[in-house]
Amino acid sequence: GENVEQHPSTLSVQEGDSAVIKCTYSDSASNYFPWYKQELGKRPQLIIDIRSNVGEKKDQRIAVTLNKTAKHFSLHITETQPEDSAVYFCAAISDGTPLVFGKGTRLSVIA
Amino acid sequence: SQTIHQWPATLVQPVGSPLSLECTVEGTSNPNLYWYRQAAGRGLQLLFYSVGIGQISSEVPQNLSASRPQDRQFILSSKKLLLSDSGFYLCAWSGLEAGSTDTQYFGPGTRLTVL
Repeated sequence: GENVEQHPSTLSVQEGDSAVIKCTYSDSASNYFPWYKQELGKRPQLIIDIRSNVGEKKDQRIAVTLNKTAKHFSLHITETQPEDSAVYFCAAISDGTPLVFGKGTRLSVIA
Repeated sequence: SQTIHQWPATLVQPVGSPLSLECTVEGTSNPNLYWYRQAAGRGLQLLFYSVGIGQISSEVPQNLSASRPQDRQFILSSKKLLLSDSGFYLCAWSGLEAGSTDTQYFGPGTRLTVL
């Protein structure tokens, strides 16, 4: 089955700097890669996703890139703000199976 | 639009007591439904998922069980709680109304403490 590795587990950046979180997956049949943000005590919320027929997707300060050959995808947050502080989860899915999540990255943005 | 509800929001139970957590989804039909557990400071562990009424897949062996008595209702149960059952329980749904059956949307969660 699918296995998703996520790193780093913790990340601290200065406000205004960029943050990058990376994930690798094992199943070459995986075709959908969402990213979730979970604030303390709250539910995970979808922030951006990408499908395997696309190499990059952007939404304001957030972008996701996908390298199908290397089987890895990354979340990029530019101009970080204190409200970006949260735990971020990547996930991968192939047809007919539930999402497989990474273990999460705790991002701290220092003002 | 779709809405997912979970109750109760918080629960404190003694070891050995039974458990029943409920999840309902509005605004969709025949959703895929999921139960996750999240231990404090940890990741998301998939417990059960269901693609239809009475169809339950279990991901890990445990003292928990799940049932789907109605199309938009998913219940998580236990006959005897263990200390290790403490955690944040999240229900999620996916379905065509969201544009894709791949994207999962989470409910607000139930925080369970077993003492």
